[in-house]
Amino acid sequence: EVQLVESGGGLVQPGRSLRLSCAGSGFTFGDYGMHWVRQAPGKGLEWVSGINWNSRTIGYADSVKGRFTISRDNAKSSLFLQMNSLRAEDTALYYCAKGRLNGMTYFDYWGQGILVTVSS
Amino acid sequence: AVRMTQSPSSFSASTGDRVTITCRASQGISNYLAWYQQKPGKAPKLLIYAASTLQTGVPSRFSGSGSGTDFTLTINCLQSEDFASYYCQQYQSYPQTFGLGTKVEIK
Repeated sequence: EVQLVESGGGLVQPGRSLRLSCAGSGFTFGDYGMHWVRQAPGKGLEWVSGINWNSRTIGYADSVKGRFTISRDNAKSSLFLQMNSLRAEDTALYYCAKGRLNGMTYFDYWGQGILVTVSS
Repeated sequence: AVRMTQSPSSFSASTGDRVTITCRASQGISNYLAWYQQKPGKAPKLLIYAASTLQTGVPSRFSGSGSGTDFTLTINCLQSEDFASYYCQQYQSYPQTFGLGTKVEIK
């Protein structure tokens, strides 16, 4: 059974940093692109960032480019999101999602989400 | 970015109804479209990809159609567990983008 479990969320002040982690199991983690998708309270879904299987292709939404960094450790079946210079508008539930295809893709498995609240 | 417009944003329906949700892309995306179901407090669940291919394990009362810019998600014989929000997503053009969602409520 595919499982994705996020951790590292919490309450953080504006301008500070936070690092999210996602642990994958039940599939060959290193074979798939992985992504972060977020959902602000009461709002829709927004793709944040994605990384291909070998970390050579990485993409970011314009809203986080230059502030967030995605990375992965295939040996540990783990995905990360380093979030710097956090803003109130980054407050959201952050989901780790497995891509089905290389490159542009849809998401066939999702974690349960981890809440990030940016507030003073 | 490709803008995905869903309609309606919400509506009420009864168990047993046939319901249709539409999704329009601001430019052609061929059939690179997925549909997700999200229940309150839960992660989205993939229902359909490639516009019309049912994800494994999804009931056959769900179906998708369309190509280019106009797409539909149809639920035949709505069940109680189908009351949820539904999102479309395009993956033809970077960055992949979602519609704002359609909430299906109990009448």
